[in-house]
Amino acid sequence: AQTVTQSQPEMSVQEAETVTLSCTYDTSESDYYLFWYKQPPSRQMILVIRQEAYKQQNATENRFSVNFQKAAKSFSLKISDSQLGDAAMYFCAYRGTASKLTFGTGTRLQVTL
Amino acid sequence: GAVVSQHPSWVICKSGTSVKIECRSLDFQATTMFWYRQFPKQSLMLMATSNEGSKATYEQGVEKDKFLINHASLTLSTLTVTSAHPEDSSFYICSARDNWSDSYNEQFFGPGTRLTVL
Repeated sequence: AQTVTQSQPEMSVQEAETVTLSCTYDTSESDYYLFWYKQPPSRQMILVIRQEAYKQQNATENRFSVNFQKAAKSFSLKISDSQLGDAAMYFCAYRGTASKLTFGTGTRLQVTL
Repeated sequence: GAVVSQHPSWVICKSGTSVKIECRSLDFQATTMFWYRQFPKQSLMLMATSNEGSKATYEQGVEKDKFLINHASLTLSTLTVTSAHPEDSSFYICSARDNWSDSYNEQFFGPGTRLTVL
């Protein structure tokens, strides 16, 4: 079974600074997708960024980018120019051939002035 | 596009009663929907995969007879918590896949339903 590990329960970043959230996963599959989701206090899950395993190029969405290391099974999220609205729970998720998502335990991000 | 709604957004019920939660894909058809459960300050745990026109696939440890899932149309899946007890109190989230779009690998999430069983 696939597992997703987020080793940072909480992180803090100052506004306008950069922060990196870590995620590792374990799988024997070669074709899969990785996601970062944001869950603000409203608890609505919001897709932040997606990475296809067959693509070597790291995905980027505006201030959000990933560092995908397939051999190391690592998938970290970098948030640049952090904003107060970035404060939320961030979940790393894996989707393989079974089509279902497996989530990590989450990282709570605080953004300070 | 790709909006998923849930109803109700919150519900309080007495122990022993049954509660039905609806999940609708508003602007797309979804042959597959997913039901998750999230306890406070915890991650989302997949309960079951709902397939239109067929039986749901439950994850290990999830009681099929307690959590009844019906996916009768391409836009609606329902989760019924039967004979609810206080330990069933949780946040229930559904998601849906748009099988006919370029984002078919993505799941779109509903806003969740908070269930409190007294």
